[in-house]
This record gives sequence, structure tokens and C-alpha cells, in this order.
Amino acid sequence: QKEVEQNSGPLSVPEGAIASLNCTYSDRGSQSFFWYRQYSGKSPELIMSIYSNGDKEDGRFTAQLNKASQYVSLLIRDSQPSDSATYLCAVPGGGGYQKVTFGIGTKLQVIP
Amino acid sequence: EAGVTQFPSHSVIEKGQTVTLRCDPISGHDNLYWYRRVMGKEIKFLLHFVKESKQDESGMPNNRFLAERTGGTYSTLKVQPAELEDSGVYFCASSQVIYEQFFGPGTRLTVL
Repeated sequence: QKEVEQNSGPLSVPEGAIASLNCTYSDRGSQSFFWYRQYSGKSPELIMSIYSNGDKEDGRFTAQLNKASQYVSLLIRDSQPSDSATYLCAVPGGGGYQKVTFGIGTKLQVIP
Repeated sequence: EAGVTQFPSHSVIEKGQTVTLRCDPISGHDNLYWYRRVMGKEIKFLLHFVKESKQDESGMPNNRFLAERTGGTYSTLKVQPAELEDSGVYFCASSQVIYEQFFGPGTRLTVL
């Protein structure tokens, strides 16, 4: 079982719709979760972090965490073509180390 | 504020040759990380420096890879001798605040 699992997509949504990106993780002790956005040929960019169960909203983005189910998601409301990118779920390593374990990323395509 | 920079952006070498990748972190960031993405796979952690010290090198594939960070500023990652399976995109990231890592644009390495 992979440590961080994501569907690689592509996920296609029409402009203005809600895009829902999902991620599961294997380490039940994980405390922090991140979403990175990566445009084609560019570097990953941290867009959301979440540490507690529930929802965290930032503009059009909402991160959702359910530690009991080991599930974290990212919702993008009013999707725009500029949101088309690969979204990487990331979980920091344990034991006091700062390395981050990434999922393979979900490619999102927002259709105008 | 300048971001993380990496040099070169692309490198094409023959199997058996040596390549050195360079990363300049954001000024003042003590933490520096190297990651690698092989085509079709997840971004994988290689190692983590705190200033000039290696904090965690658990992700280094083998002894053909040597990372240094003399003086705690820029870092180099040398691959010697390069093998075909070393091809991929090598990302560098830096952080000051724990877990908030800023990524560079990456070096795309192709070993022929």
C-alpha cells in the first residue's frame, strides 16, 4: 500500500463547477497534511495546509480532513481554467523529520 | 524576495558521466531538501540539510549520489557515475518554518 494515494486523473470539470480532489494516507499517526499545486513544467506550490479534523477554507479552496478515515480532500469552488494543474497531496514524515511524502498527484482540467 | 533557484534547468548526459546539480535556497532558510520525480512516479524525498548538516538522508538511492551544503548556503547534488534510471526531475526546496517548503523550478536530468 502506498503511503499517500491519489487518483492520477485527469479529472475534468466545467468552468464554474466544484472540483473535488481526494487523497488517502496510510500512517494513522500523521498530523499535518498539505496540498500543492503544480502547473506543467513548474515547481510545486503550497496552497493549503490542514492539521485538524474538519474543514479549512481559503478563498475558493476548502481542505477537508477526516483522520478516522485517513482521508483528506481539496474542494475548488467556481473552478477556473487557470486552476488546471496537477494537485499533489503531501504528508510530512514522522519521527521529527521534515521530509514530505507526496501522492502521485491528480491532474485537473477545467473546461471553459 | 528571490525564490529557490536551481541550475541547470536541463542536463543531458551519457551513462557513466558525472553531473552536478546546484540549488540556491531562499536567503535565510536553514532547511534545504532535495527531491526527485521519476517519470510516472511520485515526487520522492532524497535528503534534508539543516544548515550544513545532513539531518536525514534516508531517501538517497545509493552511494553514486553525493549531496553537500558547504557553509550552509547553496547545495550541490552530484551523481557519479550516472545511470539510466537516474533520469528525472530533481527538485530542491527550502524552508524556515517547519513543513512550509518552497520548491525550486527543478533540474530535468536525462541520462542516455
